[in-house]
Amino acid sequence: AQRVTQPEKLLSVFKGAPVELKCNYSYSGSPELFWYVQYSRQRLQLLLRHISRESIKGFTADLNKGETSFHLKKPFAQEEDSAMYYCALHGGATNKLIFGTGTLLAVQP
Amino acid sequence: KAGVTQTPRYLIKTRGQQVTLSCSPISGHRSVSWYQQTPGQGLQFLFEYFSETQRNKGNFPGRFSGRQFSNSRSEMNVSTLELGDSALYLCASSYGTSGTIMSSYNEQFFGPGTRLTVL
Repeated sequence: AQRVTQPEKLLSVFKGAPVELKCNYSYSGSPELFWYVQYSRQRLQLLLRHISRESIKGFTADLNKGETSFHLKKPFAQEEDSAMYYCALHGGATNKLIFGTGTLLAVQP
Repeated sequence: KAGVTQTPRYLIKTRGQQVTLSCSPISGHRSVSWYQQTPGQGLQFLFEYFSETQRNKGNFPGRFSGRQFSNSRSEMNVSTLELGDSALYLCASSYGTSGTIMSSYNEQFFGPGTRLTVL
């Protein structure tokens, strides 16, 4: 079965601290993994995708097929990073995304 | 380019009624997907339409249906509303074509959502 698991509902850190948002997936094939972000009162938007292997707003994520994980990391959290983060999986020919339940990141001053 | 628009933004209905939600995609996009967002279940895929045809369907009862028009605008209908249908309904649009050599995924752009409350 295709599934995305985000074990933490809430992650609270202080400004300047490192951040790691966990994501594990289950998929019998070669999935594409994404991180989406939803800032307060804004639309859900794509943050990054594993095939791009790029850093967006200081965030990076590496696909680990052995551990079936795609954790999102940032070395130094900023208050403006506070948002809801969703890990998502795409597999197959259509555009269907399977989302995790999301992690609320709260960065304290 | 104008973003994805959804109407209405808020809706209050009572159990047993039906409701129709509308989504206008970004100009040039031919794929529209619908998702249900609730605090308990998160974001769940409802269905995707491409060129007026349903291309994929999630695990929702038949009370949830949709359609897409020739201008790519899409509507979603929920009949015989239940309390549990209270949610934020998001639509997302994309070009919907086969993507690139590296990826079959077409980036989806999300609308602001329609907040449905069932009393």
